[in-house]
Amino acid sequence: GENVEQHPSTLSVQEGDSAVIKCTYSDSASNYFPWYKQELGKRPQLIIDIRSNVGEKKDQRIAVTLNKTAKHFSLHITETQPEDSAVYFCAKAGNMLTFGGGTRLMVKP
Amino acid sequence: DTAVSQTPKYLVTQMGNDKSIKCEQNLGHDTMYWYKQDSKKFLKIMFSYNNKELIINETVPNRFSPKSPDKAHLNLHINSLELGDSAVYFCASSHGTGDYYGYTFGSGTRLTVV
Repeated sequence: GENVEQHPSTLSVQEGDSAVIKCTYSDSASNYFPWYKQELGKRPQLIIDIRSNVGEKKDQRIAVTLNKTAKHFSLHITETQPEDSAVYFCAKAGNMLTFGGGTRLMVKP
Repeated sequence: DTAVSQTPKYLVTQMGNDKSIKCEQNLGHDTMYWYKQDSKKFLKIMFSYNNKELIINETVPNRFSPKSPDKAHLNLHINSLELGDSAVYFCASSHGTGDYYGYTFGSGTRLTVV
C-alpha cells in the first residue's frame, strides 16, 4: 500500500530537550523522503529531506535518518526551542507525495 | 513575489452553492497538485496535473473538477457544496512528479460550508 504511518501524534517536550518523530512505510520503491513543518494557520514548508542513497542528513539542529531495509525514517530535533512548536509531517515520494498523519510538537519554555 | 499563490484565502458559502479556488505558480514547475487538509490535519492528495494533463485523480467526488489552462495555473471548481467539504485546500507545485524534489505549497484556502 501507499500509507505512511507517523508516531507519535502529539509530543510535548521541555525547551532544550530533544524530540524524535518516526515514520514507517510499506512501498519499497520510494527513494525520496521529505519532512514538512506547518505552523498554526500557515502552509506546510519543507525543512529537510533525505534520499535513499544516504542514511543520515543533518542541518544545524535538525537531522533525519533513513533505514530502507526496515522501511522507516526519523526526524530528530535537538535543543528544542518554543518556535519549533508546530505540526510536522513526514512524506514519501512515489508518483506523488504521500504524507504521514502529522505530529503536533509542543515545546514548553 | 509569492511562489505559489491561491485565491481566495477564506471562503464561506452555503450548502448547494458552486465555488472555485484559483492557484498560480511562478516557479516554472511543470506539476501542480490539490491537497485537502481536514480538521485532524491529514493531508490528502486530490488531483495532480503535469504539463496541463491530469495524472492523478484520487477517490474524489465528481462534484470536484480541476482545470489547468496552462502549466502555471491549476484551478479547482466545486459543485453542489456539502458540509463535509469544509476543510483547508492547498495547492502545491514541484519539478516533475515530486519524486526527487519537494513541493512548494500555496498558503491555503479555508473553505467553510454552512
